[in-house]
Amino acid sequence: EDQVTQSPEALRLQEGESSSLNCSYTVSGLRGLFWYRQDPGKGPEFLFTLYSAGEEKEKERLKATLTKKESFLHITAPKPEDSATYLCAGPNQAGTALIFGKGTTLSVSS
Amino acid sequence: DTAVSQTPKYLVTQMGNDKSIKCEQNLGHDTMYWYKQDSKKFLKIMFSYNNKELIINETVPNRFSPKSPDKAHLNLHINSLELGDSAVYFCASSQYRASGGTDTQYFGPGTRLTVL
Repeated sequence: EDQVTQSPEALRLQEGESSSLNCSYTVSGLRGLFWYRQDPGKGPEFLFTLYSAGEEKEKERLKATLTKKESFLHITAPKPEDSATYLCAGPNQAGTALIFGKGTTLSVSS
Repeated sequence: DTAVSQTPKYLVTQMGNDKSIKCEQNLGHDTMYWYKQDSKKFLKIMFSYNNKELIINETVPNRFSPKSPDKAHLNLHINSLELGDSAVYFCASSQYRASGGTDTQYFGPGTRLTVL
């Protein structure tokens, strides 16, 4: 069964303390790996799409990387405003929808 | 100029009622989706729809039906609401990807449905 697994479920960091979130997937023939940010009471906000192993994309303090089997979202020197739930997703086998992981809830304290 | 919008944002209703949630996108996309986010924050696809076909997740009860008056709109109609239908419902849209997979999906702000 197609599956996307994220770890850890929750992560608490001090401001400036860098870390990484993990996303592993079992979707065969993966055609895209997506990262979203979701704030409480809001819809998922698109961050990155990665299509090829070795690909990297950056946005401010975030960098997403992709290997053949997993993706990492690296957060460098986070700030409290980076606190949110980060969701990883991949297309299902038919390519008709996204399968989401359960997310990593990040809390950054000052 | 909101890209994907949903109304209402909150919906509180009694068991057994019928309700609809509206979704509109102004991104020019040709594919729209409905997702359900449960109390554990897990997002799960309900429907995907473009001008060619409707794909229904087999786990969705037939009390739920999407209706698309045009490419920019995909409404969700729910009959005979049950307590377990309480959740946040998200609409999304994307461009159809001919090479397979799905292009980036953009989400609406969500509709929180509470069934009493």
